[in-house]
Amino acid sequence: GNSVTQMEGPVTLSEEAFLTINCTYTATGYPSLFWYVQYPGEGLQLLLKATKADDKGSNKGFEATYRKETTSFHLEKGSVQVSDSAVYFCALQAAGNKLTFGGGTRVLVKP
Amino acid sequence: DSGVTQTPKHLITATGQRVTLRCSPRSGDLSVYWYQQSLDQGLQFLIQYYNGEERAKGNILERFSAQQFPDLHSELNLSSLELGDSALYFCASSSGQERGTEAFFGQGTRLTVV
Repeated sequence: GNSVTQMEGPVTLSEEAFLTINCTYTATGYPSLFWYVQYPGEGLQLLLKATKADDKGSNKGFEATYRKETTSFHLEKGSVQVSDSAVYFCALQAAGNKLTFGGGTRVLVKP
Repeated sequence: DSGVTQTPKHLITATGQRVTLRCSPRSGDLSVYWYQQSLDQGLQFLIQYYNGEERAKGNILERFSAQQFPDLHSELNLSSLELGDSALYFCASSSGQERGTEAFFGQGTRLTVV
């Protein structure tokens, strides 16, 4: 079946540091890939997505590239802010549009 | 604000009881999804409805059931509750079935079974 593996947290960074969260997936066919973010006490919000190989999703300074050859969709941001502290979820969307999520990575950015 | 409304926000109930969680999707969205978020299981897909019909089933227990009404709102019914059912239950909605369609999530209902 489909599955998503992402690095366990928590990841603790200083403000303006570089952030990478690794995500790899297993799926049949050609899934769409997403990163969702969950701020404390809130639901999930779409951060970015990519629907085919070599697509790059970007939003709010975050980027991720759909790499079919390595089945990966790593999230990166060049300079994090305290406001980026949240839990980040990598997800894949296969037939039928239901999402399969990774376990989530908690990121804490300190001033 | 995602446009997806879930009620109630918090629910505390005793083991063996039955509860109903309600979800109003974004205006015009035909698909509704239910997910369970727990510390040990992470985010698990439970069930999907599209325009009133069940479309996909995930790791949903037999004690749980759901439906989508003609006005497109959905309810998730949880019965014979156990301590392990304590979790955050999310509803999400999307506009269609096309590849890459974004799902919008509500703020969730936190269920505590005591």
